[in-house]
Amino acid sequence: AQTVTQSQPEMSVQEAETVTLSCTYDTSESDYYLFWYKQPPSRQMILVIRQEAYKQQNATENRFSVNFQKAAKSFSLKISDSQLGDAAMYFCAYSFNYQLIWGAGTKLIIKP
Amino acid sequence: DAGVTQSPTHLIKTRGQQVTLRCSPKSGHDTVSWYQQALGQGPQFIFQYYEEEERQRGNFPDRFSGHQFPNYSSELNVNALLLGDSALYLCASSFADRVDGYTFGSGTRLTVV
Repeated sequence: AQTVTQSQPEMSVQEAETVTLSCTYDTSESDYYLFWYKQPPSRQMILVIRQEAYKQQNATENRFSVNFQKAAKSFSLKISDSQLGDAAMYFCAYSFNYQLIWGAGTKLIIKP
Repeated sequence: DAGVTQSPTHLIKTRGQQVTLRCSPKSGHDTVSWYQQALGQGPQFIFQYYEEEERQRGNFPDRFSGHQFPNYSSELNVNALLLGDSALYLCASSFADRVDGYTFGSGTRLTVV
């Protein structure tokens, strides 16, 4: 079965500090994409970062970076210098057969 | 450059009724995918439309059907509504049936009473 597990339903971090969100997945595919999406109260899913499974180098986008461990099927998201605007639901997903398979999400709370 | 537009934003329907949700893709995109997001959960794939045909379908009953028009816009139809169909319905557009370049709309919140 294709699954994504986000083991932290909720995380909180002090503004300006660093937080890491965890994600593990299960797929038999060898070539796929991995994603972290952010969903604020506006409901629109916003792409945070994307990783191609065949690339060993971890993706980075400004304050956002991932730790991709393909053999362990682990894809964690690190947010550095957390800002109030980072508060949202964060979803991990991977591509499979013309669709994305999603985790249940982690609610990120930023403390001022 | 218009993003993905979904209508309506909110909808309340009674059990047994039928509903149609609409999606206009981002300019330059030709593929539309629909997802159902129940409260407190991640999205679940319903189906993808590309070249006016259903390219792939998730584990949803035949009560869920769709259509894509020549201008790439799409409709999601749900018949014989159940209370369990209450959810946020998200539309995502992309180019050439790719999933790595999704742009999402803000969704339609459907409540079935």
